[in-house]
Amino acid sequence: DAGVIQSPRHEVTEMGQEVTLRCKPISGHNSLFWYRQTMMRGLELLIYFNNNVPIDDSGMPEDRFSAKMPNASFSTLKIQPSEPRDSAVYFCASSRLPDLWGYGYTFGSGTRLTVV
Amino acid sequence: AQTVTQSQPEMSVQEAETVTLSCTYDTSESDYYLFWYKQPPSRQMILVIRQEAYKQQNATENRFSVNFQKAAKSFSLKISDSQLGDAAMYFCAYKGTYKYIFGTGTRLKVLA
Repeated sequence: DAGVIQSPRHEVTEMGQEVTLRCKPISGHNSLFWYRQTMMRGLELLIYFNNNVPIDDSGMPEDRFSAKMPNASFSTLKIQPSEPRDSAVYFCASSRLPDLWGYGYTFGSGTRLTVV
Repeated sequence: AQTVTQSQPEMSVQEAETVTLSCTYDTSESDYYLFWYKQPPSRQMILVIRQEAYKQQNATENRFSVNFQKAAKSFSLKISDSQLGDAAMYFCAYKGTYKYIFGTGTRLKVLA
């Protein structure tokens, strides 16, 4: 089991550029979550998918953010155009639903995004 | 809406001593789960311990145990015999119907 795989691990980009973060969930997991972590706000849920379908995107901060899950093994989070305040660590997590026993997420290692 | 509060931004403990991290939550749901996650400098989020709300018995995992007070909506983490490798951010998390909600974290420093 390779775990949840995120790429890139670090991303530095200039303000106004498009940024795409990638996530490969654990095989067999049918739920995927994108989180943003900052010092001020902690871990914020941006969006989550069940069976590749977006269920709740109320955490997506602005229209500049978009997420897709074209198949069960791949998801992207895109920011266009990027701004310095988007600098954060972005985590992807997956789990198996129904998570009847609450075994928790498996997190990726995160992508540290710096927008200069 | 559910909320999770960690009121201790930072804690310190001497190596081999015991430390307790606090967490309170608010919910109107009767069936839920609670978790503690550890985030070391490597950034990886690691599940430390979980507790089912319907169980009165406190969960234990080796040196880690919880004090779950359902009526008070309190879920503290006790780390016994603290080790240098325990130094990390610790997040309390709540899971209700389908979403997980995290607290803002407590940074634990372990002093040699």
